[in-house]
Amino acid sequence: GQNIDQPTEMTATEGAIVQINCTYQTSGFNGLFWYQQHAGEAPTFLSYNVLDGLEEKGRFSSFLSRSKGYSYLLLKELQMKDSASYLCAVRDRAAGNKLTFGGGTRVLVKP
Amino acid sequence: KAGVTQTPRYLIKTRGQQVTLSCSPISGHRSVSWYQQTPGQGLQFLFEYFSETQRNKGNFPGRFSGRQFSNSRSEMNVSTLELGDSALYLCASSSTGTSAGGELFFGEGSRLTVL
Repeated sequence: GQNIDQPTEMTATEGAIVQINCTYQTSGFNGLFWYQQHAGEAPTFLSYNVLDGLEEKGRFSSFLSRSKGYSYLLLKELQMKDSASYLCAVRDRAAGNKLTFGGGTRVLVKP
Repeated sequence: KAGVTQTPRYLIKTRGQQVTLSCSPISGHRSVSWYQQTPGQGLQFLFEYFSETQRNKGNFPGRFSGRQFSNSRSEMNVSTLELGDSALYLCASSSTGTSAGGELFFGEGSRLTVL
């Protein structure tokens, strides 16, 4: 099976940087996704990593290390609207390529 | 381009009843996945359909079932409802499905309360 761990909650100040870590264990890693979900809304796609390294998209960056089973999502220049849950999801070839989600990290941005 | 549409958005049922939820994917998308979201368990995969065929199934009891129609619309059914089935049920569509690296587009969900 799969084990995906991420912190439950993080608090940061507007304008600051926050790093959300995600560790996973899979038999056949085949990609990692990050989604953002505001309270009461649908999750929306943020990033996709399948090779090691950093993917940058504006204020958001995602990093992957396959050998360590580790990823992080970096949120820079935090804004109040970034207060949301951030979901790490892993695709496992050994599990029919279905996406398995971590429990999510709730980020609270304070003024 | 319209997004993923789920109906109904909210519903209340009692134990023992059954419920059918509907999902219309983004036009042109052939893959539909269903997830159950609860505060304690997070997002849990139910099943994925692609071109009317169930391609993958999660670890849920047989009371949970689904199907996909030729127009890619999908339904999921839960029979003999239990209190623990209270959750937000999310549908996600993709052009190629998760096996081909397809990004998932989620609907707003159907919030089911079982009394």
